[in-house]
Amino acid sequence: GENVEQHPSTLSVQEGDSAVIKCTYSDSASNYFPWYKQELGKRPQLIIDIRSNVGEKKDQRIAVTLNKTAKHFSLHITETQPEDSAVYFCAASMNSGNTPLVFGKGTRLSVIA
Amino acid sequence: EAQVTQNPRYLITVTGKKLTVTCSQNMNHEYMSWYRQDPGLGLRQIYYSMNVEVTDKGDVPEGYKVSRKEKRNFPLILESPSPNQTSLYFCASSLRLAATYNEQFFGPGTRLTVL
Repeated sequence: GENVEQHPSTLSVQEGDSAVIKCTYSDSASNYFPWYKQELGKRPQLIIDIRSNVGEKKDQRIAVTLNKTAKHFSLHITETQPEDSAVYFCAASMNSGNTPLVFGKGTRLSVIA
Repeated sequence: EAQVTQNPRYLITVTGKKLTVTCSQNMNHEYMSWYRQDPGLGLRQIYYSMNVEVTDKGDVPEGYKVSRKEKRNFPLILESPSPNQTSLYFCASSLRLAATYNEQFFGPGTRLTVL
């Protein structure tokens, strides 16, 4: 089955700097890659996702890139702000059939003011 | 308001005392799932359900049971809880597993402590 590795497990950046979180996956059939953000004491919420027919997707300060050949995808946050501090989870699945999402172990991002 | 609800939000219990954590969604979603979240281990799937009367084991199903008698409800049952089931539990739902837009909506979480 699918295995998703996520790095780093913790990340500290200065406010205004960029943050990058990387994930690799094992199943070349996976074609759906969402990212979830979990603020302290809250539930995970989807912030951005990408499908295998595109290589990059942006939404304001957040972008996700996908390299299907290398089987890795990354979350990029530019101009980080204190409210970006949270745990971020990547996930992968086949967007068909009955294959559930497989999550990475998460990255705790701290943005230092 | 479209949402996933869980009850209770907090529960302290003792080893061996059966308990049920309820999960309900009002979005007519076919797919529902239970996860447990432990420090350093991320979100691990316990059980999932593709639709009514269809359930499957996730990565860590031991010690848990589920049922899906109605589309909106997906209770998690711990027949004989043990301390290693102390965790934060999340229920989630999405339209269907193979949908084009299959964002998973999470419930608020249930923090369970088994003494």
